[in-house]
Amino acid sequence: GAVVSQHPSWVICKSGTSVKIECRSLDFQATTMFWYRQFPKQSLMLMATSNEGSKATYEQGVEKDKFLINHASLTLSTLTVTSAHPEDSSFYICSSGTAYTNYGYTFGSGTRLTVV
Amino acid sequence: DAKTTQPNSMESNEEEPVHLPCNHSTISGTDYIHWYRQLPSQGPEYVIHGLTSNVNNRMASLAIAEDRKSSTLILHRATLRDAAVYYCAHFSNSGYALNFGKGTSLLVTP
Repeated sequence: GAVVSQHPSWVICKSGTSVKIECRSLDFQATTMFWYRQFPKQSLMLMATSNEGSKATYEQGVEKDKFLINHASLTLSTLTVTSAHPEDSSFYICSSGTAYTNYGYTFGSGTRLTVV
Repeated sequence: DAKTTQPNSMESNEEEPVHLPCNHSTISGTDYIHWYRQLPSQGPEYVIHGLTSNVNNRMASLAIAEDRKSSTLILHRATLRDAAVYYCAHFSNSGYALNFGKGTSLLVTP
């Protein structure tokens, strides 16, 4: 089945620094990648949708200048959290899939970001 | 966006069937109903999805109400490894991203 590899699995950074999270599709071409954020004991919240070669579409309330998404190739999408603050600490998850597949959507293993 | 409603938690004994309900009364007629499960500190894992008729796979069965306003995920024999948060989801209004409900935390006891 389709596999999405997400790195790093966890990262600790200082306030004001930037952190990049990578998601790679290992055995398929990810035309579209979805980025989610999940706070403790809560559900997944969609942050943005990225399409290869075009600008990402952000959900209402998500700062596009803070959460930079790059989807320059069919196998790699990145999320950069710029000028991170403690309130950005969360579990970030990427996902990819096609609308009509027999196998559902594939999710990365997630990245635990802690900003100190 | 359309919303889904699930019980916060459910409990089952090992080797017994589990029925996890989800209400999705505002789902559009062409949206698939998806179910995923998530273990702590991991990404969600696909379980099953369907459109109108009941669906079966090696993990579970999905029973979809005739009016499509609700569905039930059925684990035929719960094991300790099935303890997880189960989410039903369907596409958001803005495209093909999945919108997740709040999920049901399933506890399986020996």
